[in-house]
Amino acid sequence: GAVVSQHPSRVICKSGTSVKIECRSLDFQATTMFWYRQFPKQSLMLMATSNEGSKATYEQGVEKDKFLINHASLTLSTLTVTSAHPEDSSFYICSASPLLSGGAVETQYFGPGTRLLVL
Amino acid sequence: AQTVTQSQPEMSVQEAETVTLSCTYDTSENNYYLFWYKQPPSRQMILVIRQEAYKQQNATENRFSVNFQKAAKSFSLKISDSQLGDTAMYFCAFMKRMFNFGNEKLTFGTGTRLTIIP
Repeated sequence: GAVVSQHPSRVICKSGTSVKIECRSLDFQATTMFWYRQFPKQSLMLMATSNEGSKATYEQGVEKDKFLINHASLTLSTLTVTSAHPEDSSFYICSASPLLSGGAVETQYFGPGTRLLVL
Repeated sequence: AQTVTQSQPEMSVQEAETVTLSCTYDTSENNYYLFWYKQPPSRQMILVIRQEAYKQQNATENRFSVNFQKAAKSFSLKISDSQLGDTAMYFCAFMKRMFNFGNEKLTFGTGTRLTIIP
């Protein structure tokens, strides 16, 4: 199956600093990647859709200036949590879909997630 | 908009037994995919099985099979000969079928926590 990596797997930072999380599709290209946030014992909450070469699309209630997304290439998307605060502590997961011929997509594959703790 | 409902927050079953996780969904779309993802304690989301809505035949992957009832909008997952490694959170998910480049969002259910008892 397709492989998606995330880096770092966990990060601890001080309040007020910025943290960058990378999401890479290792063996396929993806024009679209997705960023999710997951609270303990809850389902995944879609934060934004990352589009290669264009601006990300944010879900309602997600601050675009807080969570900066850059999709620089067909294999890399980054999520930067700016001026992080303790309430931003969470588990962040990305996903991507291999493109089939004709531009169709069938399945999303997920990265292993990044655990962020803001002190 | 689509909704996915998993009515069983938690389930447990003895090792080697069979267990069925339920999932219902609501959509006005006719072309879509349904998925079951597994999230073990490591929190890595793992694709278990996928069903194309235009296929009547139920998908199977080794010990995992689905009962897809399109008219009833039901999509249950059956795990046969359950193993300790099956202990995980299971999420049912819906994705609209996109024929061109587009935002193929996943809509998730709330999950079912499955515990396999030794």
